[in-house]
Amino acid sequence: QQQVKQSPQSLIVQKGGISIINCAYENTAFDYFPWYQQFPGKGPALLIAIRPDVSEKKEGRFTISFNKSAKQFSLHIMDSQPGDSATYFCAAHVANAGGTSYGKLTFGQGTILTVHP
Amino acid sequence: KAGVTQTPRYLIKTRGQQVTLSCSPISGHRSVSWYQQTPGQGLQFLFEYFSETQRNKGNFPGRFSGRQFSNSRSEMNVSTLELGDSALYLCASTRTGDGGYTFGSGTRLTVV
Repeated sequence: QQQVKQSPQSLIVQKGGISIINCAYENTAFDYFPWYQQFPGKGPALLIAIRPDVSEKKEGRFTISFNKSAKQFSLHIMDSQPGDSATYFCAAHVANAGGTSYGKLTFGQGTILTVHP
Repeated sequence: KAGVTQTPRYLIKTRGQQVTLSCSPISGHRSVSWYQQTPGQGLQFLFEYFSETQRNKGNFPGRFSGRQFSNSRSEMNVSTLELGDSALYLCASTRTGDGGYTFGSGTRLTVV
């Protein structure tokens, strides 16, 4: 199956706290896993992405942890700020496979993050 | 560097009408994908174009179609609009269609 399951649906954290969003996938052919941030009235913006040959990738306050054997990956937002309040989507893609993979990201259902000041 | 530009930003159409949405990709990006975003179904892939050819298509009825021009700009068309077609339509561009997708701000379509 091509599904990507994301949890939680919503998350409330205090300023300075850690936000953690989890995703699980089924298709072992997926080999590119991006996270997107979306503000109201805007399109999704790429935050950070990982390929399965590494277990962790960090960019600033954002870290992806990847567990290939469990088919799970997660986004950690350190020192969460009110400006981080947005909807976050995980996604997965089969890269370099041609055919039915071209242009197709499979998205999780999204997590609405609220960071209280 | 200009981003992905989608026009118009908002549209209101009546059931049964047809609509055309436009997407201008980032310069140098030859792959354009289209997605439908709704609260119930989330983000769903519609189709992808590369060098004026549709290479991939999602599970949407034939009322949804698209095309790409030689300058990589793309349009999508929805015919015989239904109330359920109300959604945010997003396009994304990449160089090759294999990752690094950049999305536009979308076109909000409301069907009444």
